Amino acid sequence: EIVLTQSPGTLSLSPGERATLSCRASQSVSSSYLGWYQHKPGQAPRLLIYGASSRATGIPDRFSGSGSGTDFTLTISRLKPEDFAVYYCQQYGSSPFTFGPGTKVDIK
Amino acid sequence: EVQLLESGGGLVQPGGSLRLSCAASGFTFSSYAMSWVRQAPGKGLEWVSGISGSGGSTASADSVKGRFTISRDNSKNTLYLQMNSLRVEDTAVYYCAKGGWGPPFDPWGQGTLVTVSS
Repeated sequence: EIVLTQSPGTLSLSPGERATLSCRASQSVSSSYLGWYQHKPGQAPRLLIYGASSRATGIPDRFSGSGSGTDFTLTISRLKPEDFAVYYCQQYGSSPFTFGPGTKVDIK
Repeated sequence: EVQLLESGGGLVQPGGSLRLSCAASGFTFSSYAMSWVRQAPGKGLEWVSGISGSGGSTASADSVKGRFTISRDNSKNTLYLQMNSLRVEDTAVYYCAKGGWGPPFDPWGQGTLVTVSS
């Protein structure tokens, strides 16, 4: 089983600031199968990034993903009020399709 | 527009059973793997079970193996999760999502709440 670790657990930032979220895998993950999701309370999770670096349909370009192997990064260039949420990385190439524990981005 | 709508959640006693359904529309259902993901109160997302487009391949998390069974009816565009021997720790919002074995999980349904309590 591939275990995903995310850091930091919580990121306290102000609107307009840059957010950098990390996801580390216990073994190499094919970049084709690494995704990032945004989850807000009471809503369905939303796919942001797939294939480590491709933005999903309708996702603004302030969201970007990078990385390969065991280290991946989600960057939000300039935080907007609607970006404060929990972010999860996931590998979806081989079962079990594990998620990281999440990074909460909250308002400073 | 792709839509997923879960149903079947509710309150059940420990040891009881429940069947969740997920009605899909807006895409060729039989062409895509589907998955169930849950979120327990105050916890993160946990993948529960997945099934291939044909239904010929399934997989489940160790936490539910032997108790939960995923299935699908491609003639009805519906995904199911049969949950038996439910435990208090199975209390969660259960989401269905299109994806697995290659495609990312997109989109997700709105979720259905399962509460296991005496």
